[in-house]
Amino acid sequence: GAGVSQSPSNKVTEKGKDVELRCDPISGHTALYWYRQSLGQGLEFLIYFQGNSAPDKSGLPSDRFSAERTGGSVSTLTIQRTQQEDSAVYLCASSPRGLLSGEQYFGPGTRLTVT
Amino acid sequence: GQNIDQPTEMTATEGAIVQINCTYQTSGFNGLFWYQQHAGEAPTFLSYNVLDGLEEKGRFSSFLSRSKGYSYLLLKELQMKDSASYLCAVREMGAAGNKLTFGGGTRVLVKP
Repeated sequence: GAGVSQSPSNKVTEKGKDVELRCDPISGHTALYWYRQSLGQGLEFLIYFQGNSAPDKSGLPSDRFSAERTGGSVSTLTIQRTQQEDSAVYLCASSPRGLLSGEQYFGPGTRLTVT
Repeated sequence: GQNIDQPTEMTATEGAIVQINCTYQTSGFNGLFWYQQHAGEAPTFLSYNVLDGLEEKGRFSSFLSRSKGYSYLLLKELQMKDSASYLCAVREMGAAGNKLTFGGGTRVLVKP
């Protein structure tokens, strides 16, 4: 079946512009996560959605970052007034359940470059 | 919060065995995961440990000692395609749910 998809796959933007990154989780997965990964680094947790519960936003690095998940499915990560340090690969993952399941299925990521 | 440490890089020979160690400190441990990530690709799930002991899955095994805050991933009969980064991740118990905290990853290079 279809896996997690993300768009765009690559995004180059100028410093100060806003960007939107999209994630389509696996159908039926109730939990959705956003991470970012800088070159050669591990994954940094950003935000987590589980069903209709309030999202865990504890990983968002600043108030320029926000995310929504509409209808319990598609999610959009928005970065306002982008900075060069925002350049990274942004990965989305989903899992079947939030509390009990562990395995997260990752999308291919969006490579963001801020010039 | 959590602190997860794993070596940055390891080199091994095709056909050999490599052991990647991961140590962690957490206030409420609720599972440890290993992911494999090839360059330019998304991480893929390898293994999950929540109880002490060894979990074997083909050429890959993962071990956990909760009392020591320690895990390792063992890769046997190394193949060239095993060259990748291996990410250790810890799940923490709590109302926040299923959030994983990842280590920095260990880059494994398999040489002929």
